[in-house]
Amino acid sequence: DQQVKQNSPSLSVQEGRISILNCDYTNSMFDYFLWYKKYPAEGPTFLISISSIKDKNEDGRFTVFLNKSAKHLSLHIVPSQPGDSAVYFCAASEDNDMRFGAGTRLTVKP
Amino acid sequence: DAGVTQSPTHLIKTRGQQVTLRCSPKSGHDTVSWYQQALGQGPQFIFQYYEEEERQRGNFPDRFSGHQFPNYSSELNVNALLLGDSALYLCASSYKSVGQLNYNEQFFGPGTRLTVL
Repeated sequence: DQQVKQNSPSLSVQEGRISILNCDYTNSMFDYFLWYKKYPAEGPTFLISISSIKDKNEDGRFTVFLNKSAKHLSLHIVPSQPGDSAVYFCAASEDNDMRFGAGTRLTVKP
Repeated sequence: DAGVTQSPTHLIKTRGQQVTLRCSPKSGHDTVSWYQQALGQGPQFIFQYYEEEERQRGNFPDRFSGHQFPNYSSELNVNALLLGDSALYLCASSYKSVGQLNYNEQFFGPGTRLTVL
């Protein structure tokens, strides 16, 4: 069952512009949301997270927005850099049970 | 600190065989979770070990079993391999804080690529 969906398999943006990665979920019991970044031949690396009691969390160039009524999560990267090119996974957790989306491949062009 | 390490990096098996994958957690971590990542998919939770016991399990058959040792390292065993078991198997380590898994500190290893022929 696809409780966490990333409907865009890929995204391409120009260096310096904003990257917006989207994620939708179906389980209203999820209480914690995370974004991971994955480079080839490496495991996913934690990027940023947000609790269900918040609607925004910011860490440097990365901001995660949570819209609980729409069951929608987004990651904003501003400004985008070529080193941000990677696969980004959205994940959601309920009682330590974590579900991942299929990932979005972000390419930032110089 | 070597972080999370997994062995082997690649493995080729035939249907019906059994396989054991190994994981050493990051220093200071006591919890190990295993994930299966099929091609084009996100990681799927298999199970989690804490204090040498399986604490949580995802939707995987009993052919998938595991173990955690006193030094917190872990093994994932898969019996009677099927073609569909071909995937990247990821291990992630973390520490439990007051019974709640601290996901911000969950570190993944590079994975073991299993191919079943």
